[in-house]
Amino acid sequence: AQSVTQLDSHVSVSEGTPVLLRCNYSSSYSPSLFWYVQHPNKGLQLLLKYTSAATLVKGINGFEAEFKKSETSFHLTKPSAHMSDAAEYFCVVSGGEYNFNKFYFGSGTKLNVKP
Amino acid sequence: DTEVTQTPKHLVMGMTNKKSLKCEQHMGHRAMYWYKQKAKKPPELMFVYSYEKLSINESVPSRFSPECPNSSLLNLHLHALQPEDSALYLCASSQGTGWEARETQYFGPGTRLLVL
Repeated sequence: AQSVTQLDSHVSVSEGTPVLLRCNYSSSYSPSLFWYVQHPNKGLQLLLKYTSAATLVKGINGFEAEFKKSETSFHLTKPSAHMSDAAEYFCVVSGGEYNFNKFYFGSGTKLNVKP
Repeated sequence: DTEVTQTPKHLVMGMTNKKSLKCEQHMGHRAMYWYKQKAKKPPELMFVYSYEKLSINESVPSRFSPECPNSSLLNLHLHALQPEDSALYLCASSQGTGWEARETQYFGPGTRLLVL
């Protein structure tokens, strides 16, 4: 069975400092993993995706994530936060038998960026 | 182009009204999804259409009725809703589905629904 745990419901950083959003997953199969961002009153935008190619995945807007199978983690990082990064971030796992590409969402991490 | 469009952006309806939400994509995707998202929560899957056929219904009440007239269009018909149905309704599409499909879902901006 697939599941995702986002370890922090809120993260607050100062502009220009690094961002770390933590995600652990559980999957019976080789998973596909995603990070999506949702700005207030908006839809979800894909940041990046892992599908068993390179373990370090680069995404849009300077974000990247590293797949660590031994730790079942897929943490999202960015070297320097920008005010426009303030949003809700969702870690997602998909894949598995008969699941019709069903997405399993984490509970979300709200990122606050202070000036 | 990875755009999914949804109309209307906002909808206010009474509990006796009938309304419809519309979703459109022109990426040639063969799978389309409806999600419901309450405030400060992740999206919850409602329905999945694969090749214009309903593949998954996540035990959604019958007052929500999906329809897929063609491969580009997805509707959600609403009737006799309750105030607790107020939420952001998101549409998404992916290239396909199927066994061990693990494809990116592209989301629309959503329709903000308020039921009075």
